[in-house]
Amino acid sequence: DAGVTQSPTHLIKTRGQHVTLRCSPISGHKSVSWYQQVLGQGPQFIFQYYEKEERGRGNFPDRFSARQFPNYSSELNVNALLLGDSALYLCASSREGQGLNYGYTFGSGTRLTVV
Amino acid sequence: GDSVTQMEGPVTLSEEAFLTINCTYTATGYPSLFWYVQYPGEGLQLLLKATKADDKGSNKGFEATYRKETTSFHLEKGSVQVSDSAVYFCALFNMDSNYQLIWGAGTKLIIKP
Repeated sequence: DAGVTQSPTHLIKTRGQHVTLRCSPISGHKSVSWYQQVLGQGPQFIFQYYEKEERGRGNFPDRFSARQFPNYSSELNVNALLLGDSALYLCASSREGQGLNYGYTFGSGTRLTVV
Repeated sequence: GDSVTQMEGPVTLSEEAFLTINCTYTATGYPSLFWYVQYPGEGLQLLLKATKADDKGSNKGFEATYRKETTSFHLEKGSVQVSDSAVYFCALFNMDSNYQLIWGAGTKLIIKP
């Protein structure tokens, strides 16, 4: 079975631009979460979607948005990029909505560099 | 709010040494606890988990016991290998935590041959 797949793997953008990151969960997983990991730190929660609805949102500005599609894949959008948005963006999927019992399976991430 | 505290790294050990990475947490209710590992240039991999007090999670020779009385979930391995070199993250999931994993800062482990 394929794991959680994210695209692209690497991306370089200019300040002020917009970026879209994509994630496909493991087949049968209905929950997708997005995390931002700055170098040398633990991941920070951005969003969780379950059954195409937003179930949780972290402390990120409105420049960050996401959505989940009927096939449970997801997109993370970031507008008006800042240098501080440079990070590894991780997508995680879970067998059920909360990850309480099974944890989350993470993709390899998208490395975003803003110049 | 909920939080996770890990021992600071890097932790440097010789091959076949005993490993302990400390993790303590603050949370209301009964969170689930996880250890994730991140190898250089890769994403996060679930290493082990425990969902209730006194549960012991284990995988690949690593183990951790959910101790509610000391709010701890220390990671241990009896004999480390060079291939265990990575960053280890302790995390918790709480029903009341806005559907997010709460992470420690990570502990870098370096194993020397």
